[in-house]
Amino acid sequence: AQSVAQPEDQVNVAEGNPLTVKCTYSVSGNPYLFWYVQYPNRGLQFLLKYITGDNLVKGSYGFEAEFNKSQTSFHLKKPSALVSDSALYFCAVRERGRESGGGADGLTFGKGTHLIIQP
Amino acid sequence: DSGVTQTPKHLITATGQRVTLRCSPRSGDLSVYWYQQSLDQGLQFLIQYYNGEERAKGNILERFSAQQFPDLHSELNLSSLELGDSALYFCASSVWARGYNEQFFGPGTRLTVL
Repeated sequence: AQSVAQPEDQVNVAEGNPLTVKCTYSVSGNPYLFWYVQYPNRGLQFLLKYITGDNLVKGSYGFEAEFNKSQTSFHLKKPSALVSDSALYFCAVRERGRESGGGADGLTFGKGTHLIIQP
Repeated sequence: DSGVTQTPKHLITATGQRVTLRCSPRSGDLSVYWYQQSLDQGLQFLIQYYNGEERAKGNILERFSAQQFPDLHSELNLSSLELGDSALYFCASSVWARGYNEQFFGPGTRLTVL
């Protein structure tokens, strides 16, 4: 079975400082990894994904994430935080190759991390 | 705006009742997913349809069912509702049913069971 852990319920960062939101995953094989953000009373918005290749993935709104296979991690980062980045962030995984039967099935999400950027 | 629409936005009903949630995927997307978000269970995958056919099942209760119609919109039917079914239900869509395709989420339907 696949799983995702986001060890921090909440991360507080001062505006202008770098931010990191942690994510570790567990799959039997190789992963596809995703980050989504949820603003209050809104659906989830896709930020970025790792499929294969370069371990550093760049996404929307200046966010990036680093895939580390040995540590089974996919931490989300941003060099300089904005107050508007405050939201709930979800890491998600799907095991590569599970779609061989014809379907992709759903994403497995972590519990989410509240990111609070203080002015 | 992701391009995925869901109706209704809010739904309040009583235990034992049946409700239907509706989802229209982004134009051109063939794959539709349903998720449930609750405080205790987090965000859980329920079921996936691709071009009208069921493709994968997650943690979906037997009291719940779904279908995808020829125009690709999807409906999630919840019956014999219990208090614990109160949650935010999301629909998502993607172009194909490939594992690496990102999913685009609708705004959700908030279901309250009293």
